Order: sequence, then C-alpha cells, then structure tokens
Amino acid sequence: DIQMTQSPSSLSASVGDRVTITCRASQGISNYLAWFQQKPGKAPKSLVYAASSLQSGVPSKFSGGGSGTDFTLTISSLQPEDFATYYCQQYSSYPYTFGQGTKLEIK
Amino acid sequence: QVQLQQWGAGLLEPSETLSLTCAVYGGSFSGYYWSWIRQPPGKGLEWIGEINHSGSTNYNPSLKSRVTISVDTSKNQFSLNLSSVTAADTAVYYCAKEGGYGRFPLTDWGQGTLVTVSS
Repeated sequence: DIQMTQSPSSLSASVGDRVTITCRASQGISNYLAWFQQKPGKAPKSLVYAASSLQSGVPSKFSGGGSGTDFTLTISSLQPEDFATYYCQQYSSYPYTFGQGTKLEIK
Repeated sequence: QVQLQQWGAGLLEPSETLSLTCAVYGGSFSGYYWSWIRQPPGKGLEWIGEINHSGSTNYNPSLKSRVTISVDTSKNQFSLNLSSVTAADTAVYYCAKEGGYGRFPLTDWGQGTLVTVSS
C-alpha cells in the first residue's frame, strides 16, 4: 500500500493568514492526488484533484501543487469557515489511501 | 448535480453483517466507479472498495475477505455488506462517486451513516 503522510498534524492560524499543508507519498503517484476538507459531523468535501485542479465551485483561495511524492495545499486569506480538517488521498493505485489529516484551528 | 443518499442499520452486535445501501439521484449511473469509505470516531478515512455499473469491483485487501459490494442498476443503487463485524468496525460509513473509470478522484459524497458494533 502507498502510505500518505501529512504535516503538520495540527496547525493554529489566525483569520487572514496564509497556510500550507504538505502531503508526502511513500512512492511516486504522478499527480493522482486529491485534497478534501471535512468539518465536524459532515462528509468530506472535495477541493482539489490531479494535485492542482480545483473542483467546480471551490474558491481560488485554495491551491494545490506538487507531483511525484511531494504535494502541498495552500489556503490564503483564512476565513472562519476554513477552519476544518484537511485530508490528502492518492488514487494512483489500489488500495486508495488517505493521509492522517491536518486539523486547522483558529489561533 | 448528483446526490447520494445512503441508509442502513446503525447498531449491530459482534459477528453480524453490516449492510448499507446508497442511492444515486441525478446524473448518469454508468461510466463511473462508486466507492465506500469509512471513518472510525475521531480518526481518519479508510477506502473500503468500489464498483461500477457492470459489477466490476476492487476491494481494500485489508477488508477483502469480509466485504461484498454489489450494484442494482435498475434502481441506481449500490450496496455494502461487511460480514463478521467487531467493535473495530464501528465507524461512519460514506458512499461516494468517482469521476470516471480508472484513476479518477472522489467527487461527491453521501451524508454518512454511523454504524456502531456493540454487544
């Protein structure tokens, strides 16, 4: 199985800040990488696919990057609704696997 | 826009079989893979497996011996059966749509169903 490792596991930031979350794959996955946002008690929401493409309706404050084994999700100008848990997921090979999550909290 | 609505028993005893169904409304049912994912309380996400409209499946090897995913194309539904459940199978179970066949991301999710295994 491909292991996905996110860092940091938790992150405190203020409204208006810009933050970056990283995701590392245990082997190369090209750009078969997605990012999800999850709020408490809710289903995950798809944000980014193919490492850097935004899902329809996702604001441009979210941006993804990377290829191969190292990926990033950057969120600019944080707003209260952005504080949530973020997961990366590889869909390069079976079984599909997720990172352990990064909890973004208000400072 | 596609909507996924899921249902099933929320409380099971150890050794019973978990059964969940997901109905797809809006959009095409064929041409996509449909997945099940689970999330234990307070923990991360685990992909369980997927099926397409023809019934072709792929499973997570960690659960393969106990999992069956099936499809009913006449109703645009797909189902998850997980046999011989234990407390470790307690989780919120989600159904989800993938963007196509082969190496497509998850795009839309059901609302989730909490399944608790307890004697």
